[in-house]
Amino acid sequence: GAVVSQHPSRVICKSGTSVKIECRSLDFQATTMFWYRQFPKQSLMLMATSNEGSKATYEQGVEKDKFLINHASLTLSTLTVTSAHPEDSSFYICSAPLAAKETQYFGPGTRLLVL
Amino acid sequence: GQQLNQSPQSMFIQEGEDVSMNCTSSSIFNTWLWYKQEPGEGPVLLIALYKAGELTSNGRLTAQFGITRKDSFLNISASIPSDVGIYFCAGQFNFGNEKLTFGTGTRLTIIP
Repeated sequence: GAVVSQHPSRVICKSGTSVKIECRSLDFQATTMFWYRQFPKQSLMLMATSNEGSKATYEQGVEKDKFLINHASLTLSTLTVTSAHPEDSSFYICSAPLAAKETQYFGPGTRLLVL
Repeated sequence: GQQLNQSPQSMFIQEGEDVSMNCTSSSIFNTWLWYKQEPGEGPVLLIALYKAGELTSNGRLTAQFGITRKDSFLNISASIPSDVGIYFCAGQFNFGNEKLTFGTGTRLTIIP
């Protein structure tokens, strides 16, 4: 069964609004989670590393003030796309390792469409 | 960000045929992973490789960790319709709690 969940599975919003996406680890604690973005027919590109209890680490070119990450508990990380624009429309996927020396498992993804 | 080179980009095969794909990197990785992604879903782990030269199987799937640690290969034997999807390799410098670098993907289509 699924070990990582995401909510919502898809969301449509108006340009200029903010959208929050949740990533939850099921039945295990994750001190680290990862957020990826995937455009149509492309690969997954890492956006940021979410660290429980501390600031997220962003990849080069990813605006930290636009993509807010909060990892407030050991089972939940949230990604907020602030002032969303059509070019932010994408498939957002999170992942988490079962433990520090375990393989990463991916959530089912969130499809964001900004009109 | 960095991406790994994966080939072929796409494959059109008939059911029952074997499939081979590979992934190369300019950097050394200590872990290689192979994932499959179906439309609208997140990637699902197929095989994980932890040691240079390692050959690991998962049913009809076999993957190898290249000796140079800069490449990996995935083979699927006797393909079936449910093998359709996009296959991604991913490299990791240190196993587990570290980011993955993904390959460009191989889209597999099975011709009836």
